[in-house]
Amino acid sequence: RKEVEQDPGPFNVPEGATVAFNCTYSNSASQSFFWYRQDCRKEPKLLMSVYSSGNEDGRFTAQLNRASQYISLLIRDSKLSDSATYLCVVKGSPRISGAGSYQLTFGKGTKLSVIP
Amino acid sequence: ETGVTQTPRHLVMGMTNKKSLKCEQHLGHNAMYWYKQSAKKPLELMFVYNFKEQTENNSVPSRFSPECPNSSHLFLHLHTLQPEDSALYLCASSQAGNYEQYFGPGTRLTVT
Repeated sequence: RKEVEQDPGPFNVPEGATVAFNCTYSNSASQSFFWYRQDCRKEPKLLMSVYSSGNEDGRFTAQLNRASQYISLLIRDSKLSDSATYLCVVKGSPRISGAGSYQLTFGKGTKLSVIP
Repeated sequence: ETGVTQTPRHLVMGMTNKKSLKCEQHLGHNAMYWYKQSAKKPLELMFVYNFKEQTENNSVPSRFSPECPNSSHLFLHLHTLQPEDSALYLCASSQAGNYEQYFGPGTRLTVT
């Protein structure tokens, strides 16, 4: 099983639609989770952290299900500017030795295209 | 504008060349990272430096040699690369113990 797995998409949705991405992770001991956004030919940028109780930031809602080891990101009222690749990120697996607390493991990303 | 800069932004080199990638962070962070991003693959962590000390080498071939002279600067020295090393090389920084990493714009490397 891959450490962090995402549906690569692409998800093509009309403006105003609601879209949800899921991500699964293999290490049950993982404690920290994030969603990063990467625009085409740009660097990744932190979108939001994911907390156990779920959290919301404007049109974006992130949820964590530890029992099933998956994380979700919900985008409501999609905008054209939301078009990007969304990366699911988990704190590095302990099997990667060294400064484990500083390491992030990235999924391949899910590509979203919002269409006018 | 991120607080992490990388030069050059694009690099084409032959397999026998030696070149270096440079990263500089202006955020007062004390941890810096090199990542490789290839097409259809997730970001791969290559090296981690905390307080100028290398704390992780993620099984990277010796043709990649990192250098961290201080907490603000990070280099990646390249020699005798292979075509499969063509990728986007991203530098990132963070505060030690903080998982939020800030990325530079990357260097797009092509090995011919």
